[in-house]
Amino acid sequence: AQSVTQPDIHITVSEGASLELRCNYSYGATPYLFWYVQSPGQGLQLLLKYFSGDTLVQGIKGFEAEFKRSQSSFNLRKPSVHWSDAAEYFCAVGHGSSNTGKLIFGQGTTLQVKP
Amino acid sequence: NAGVMQNPRHLVRRRGQEARLRCSPMKGHSHVYWYRQLPEEGLKFMVYLQKENIIDESGMPKERFSAEFPKEGPSILRIQQVVRGDSAAYFCASSPRLAGAVYNEQFFGPGTRLTVL
Repeated sequence: AQSVTQPDIHITVSEGASLELRCNYSYGATPYLFWYVQSPGQGLQLLLKYFSGDTLVQGIKGFEAEFKRSQSSFNLRKPSVHWSDAAEYFCAVGHGSSNTGKLIFGQGTTLQVKP
Repeated sequence: NAGVMQNPRHLVRRRGQEARLRCSPMKGHSHVYWYRQLPEEGLKFMVYLQKENIIDESGMPKERFSAEFPKEGPSILRIQQVVRGDSAAYFCASSPRLAGAVYNEQFFGPGTRLTVL
């Protein structure tokens, strides 16, 4: 069965430090991979997505992610974290258009940023 | 172009009452997904609808839950005889479903937070 695992439930980093959020997926076909961010009480905002091609993808707010097929991973990175990045981050895999397109989400990683 | 709209944003119901959650997709989008987020958990797929059709309801509880997306008007997620375990945030997402696209991105609404007393 398809699944997404985010091993870290909570992460705390200092402002200005680098960040890496881990995501591992289990999916039989070519995965369509996403990272979303959710601020408290808000909906989900798409940070970036991977469909094909270059395995390093750039997103909004200075985030990037690297797709590694051999490791079934799609880790999110940011070189220098800002206090406004504190939020919950979700990795998701999507079924392709030949299926229903529904998203399977990981359980999320809560990021806290220390001043 | 307005985004996905959901109302109400907050809904309080007592056990046994009915809850109706509404979702208006983005203009030009004819596909709607509903997801549920229980406290401290990620989002779980519930149902996928096109206009007047339920395409995939594999994530819907077998009882008390139903969804529709009529030809005119918003999509409705209906929960009958609510129980405390239904307390969650319910998110709607819409998609344009473009022919030939490898994947059609979903755009999320702000969610409806249901509290069952």
